[in-house]
Amino acid sequence: EVQLVESGGGLVQPGGSLRLSCAASGFTFSSYEMNWVRQAPGKGLEWVSYISSSGSTIYYADSVKGRFTISRDNAKNSLYLQMNSLRAEDTAVYYCARTMEQWLVLFDYWGQGTLVTVSS
Amino acid sequence: EIVMTQSPATLSVSPGERATLSCRASQSVSSNLAWYQQKPGQAPRLLIYGASTRATGIPARFSGSGSGTEFTLTISSLQSEDFAVYYCQQYNNWPPTFGGGTKVEIK
Repeated sequence: EVQLVESGGGLVQPGGSLRLSCAASGFTFSSYEMNWVRQAPGKGLEWVSYISSSGSTIYYADSVKGRFTISRDNAKNSLYLQMNSLRAEDTAVYYCARTMEQWLVLFDYWGQGTLVTVSS
Repeated sequence: EIVMTQSPATLSVSPGERATLSCRASQSVSSNLAWYQQKPGQAPRLLIYGASTRATGIPARFSGSGSGTEFTLTISSLQSEDFAVYYCQQYNNWPPTFGGGTKVEIK
């Protein structure tokens, strides 16, 4: 059974940093592209970042470019999101999501999400 | 960036009735369109991809159609567990973008 479990969310002050993790199991993690998708409270879904299976190709939404860094450790079956210079508008549930097929960036499995709250 | 527009924002339907949800893209996305279902407090679940292919385990009452810029998700006979928010998403161009969602509520 495919499982994605996020952790690392919490309350952080504006300008602060946080590192999210996603532990993957039930599939060959190193074969799949991965993503972070977020959802602000009461709002819709926003794709945040993508990383290829090897980690060699990375993309970011314009809203987080230069502040967030996606990475992965295939030996540990883990995905990460380092978030710096956090703003109030980054407040959201952050989901780890698997890309269904290579280069087709739709999401067939999602974690349960971790809440990030940016507030003073 | 491709803008995805869903309508209506809220759809009130009685159990057993048909629900038709629309999604429009600001430019052609070919058939690279997915639909997701999200219930309160849960992660989204993939329903449809390739505009019309049901994902694994999705009941046949869910069907998708369309191509280019106009897409439809149809739920043929609404069950109690189908009341939720539905999102469309294009994956034809970077960045992948979602519609604002349609909430299907009990009439």
